[in-house]
Amino acid sequence: DQQVKQNSPSLSVQEGRISILNCDYTNSMFDYFLWYKKYPAEGPTFLISISSIKDKNEDGRFTVFLNKSAKHLSLHIVPSQPGDSAVYFCAAISGNTGKLIFGQGTTLQVKP
Amino acid sequence: NAGVTQTPKFQVLKTGQSMTLQCAQDMNHEYMSWYRQDPGMGLRLIHYSVGAGITDQGEVPNGYNVSRSTTEDFPLRLLSAAPSQTSVYFCASSASGITDTQYFGPGTRLTVL
Repeated sequence: DQQVKQNSPSLSVQEGRISILNCDYTNSMFDYFLWYKKYPAEGPTFLISISSIKDKNEDGRFTVFLNKSAKHLSLHIVPSQPGDSAVYFCAAISGNTGKLIFGQGTTLQVKP
Repeated sequence: NAGVTQTPKFQVLKTGQSMTLQCAQDMNHEYMSWYRQDPGMGLRLIHYSVGAGITDQGEVPNGYNVSRSTTEDFPLRLLSAAPSQTSVYFCASSASGITDTQYFGPGTRLTVL
């Protein structure tokens, strides 16, 4: 059973526009959420995180929104740049299990 | 700092062979973990360690063994390789726990024939 789901395998946006990547989760015990970015032939790198006590966290062009009632989070990238083209993984942690659970990933392509 | 290093980068095995994937970090991190990435599945946790001498199972531990004799090293052993273990394997480390930023290695691409 996939506890963290990224239902869009891919997304294509124009340079300068907003990219919105979505993630849904099923486990109400998750209390910390993260986004990782992955380029081909490299390991994932941490991008941004949010605690379940918040509903928004910003870091430069990247903003993560958390809607706990809907068990949904999203990553906004504004403005999108060609260098943002990568696979983006949503991940969640349950404090009582100590395990990091990843979604399937969404491939973002930003066109010049 | 080299960060998290993994060897080998690529490996082809025959069914039934055994091998060890190496992982090392030079950041004095306590927490280390192994993931596998399969198409459409994201990354799945195999085993993790919260410190030297302590290991525990993740989501998909069957067919894999780990040990943590030093802070720096966290090898992953495949005892008898199966085609279902064809995957890309990532090692990660963090300073003290799962909520700390995880630093991933570049991965090992394993094919089991």
